[in-house]
Amino acid sequence: KQEVTQIPAALSVPEGENLVLNCSFTDSAIYNLQWFRQDPGKGLTSLLLIQSSQREQTSGRLNASLDKSSGRSTLYIAASQPGDSATYLCAVRRASGTYKYIFGTGTRLKVLA
Amino acid sequence: DTAVSQTPKYLVTQMGNDKSIKCEQNLGHDTMYWYKQDSKKFLKIMFSYNNKELIINETVPNRFSPKSPDKAHLNLHINSLELGDSAVYFCASSPRGGRWYTDTQYFGPGTRLTVL
Repeated sequence: KQEVTQIPAALSVPEGENLVLNCSFTDSAIYNLQWFRQDPGKGLTSLLLIQSSQREQTSGRLNASLDKSSGRSTLYIAASQPGDSATYLCAVRRASGTYKYIFGTGTRLKVLA
Repeated sequence: DTAVSQTPKYLVTQMGNDKSIKCEQNLGHDTMYWYKQDSKKFLKIMFSYNNKELIINETVPNRFSPKSPDKAHLNLHINSLELGDSAVYFCASSPRGGRWYTDTQYFGPGTRLTVL
């Protein structure tokens, strides 16, 4: 059974810091891994999608890496800004069965001005 | 332009009532989903439809019944509401779904259901 864990559960950093969010999963048989952002009271916005054959994806100040064999992904945020404050969720897509996404528990990030 | 929209945004109701949540996507996607996010912010899939066909049906009480009149709409009807049904329900869509591993999901804003 696939389980997805995110550490830390919450994080506060001063503006301008670089930071890393972690995601680990128990079953390496995945199709892809996706990082989402959720603002309070809002839906999820997809940030980056990494296919199982890829090692990393970049978009602006965001860089996501994937190490499928060890069951880990990281989301690196460079030069953090107050506008980055949100909950970040990772989700893995199963490589069999219904191909559904299994979501992690999220990391609540607060960037202080 | 709203890509994935849900109505209502908030729903407060008494135990035992029946209620519906509606979802529409204007992205031309083939697949739509319902997710439930509990009070601990854990997001779990409930159902998925691909071109009006049910493809994912998780272990959900049969009081929950999805209906997809066409591929742009996926509604969720809940009978005999219970306190434990209180949560935020998210609708999402993806271009293809199923085994298309490059698919990105697009989420609606959520419906916060409170059962009193």
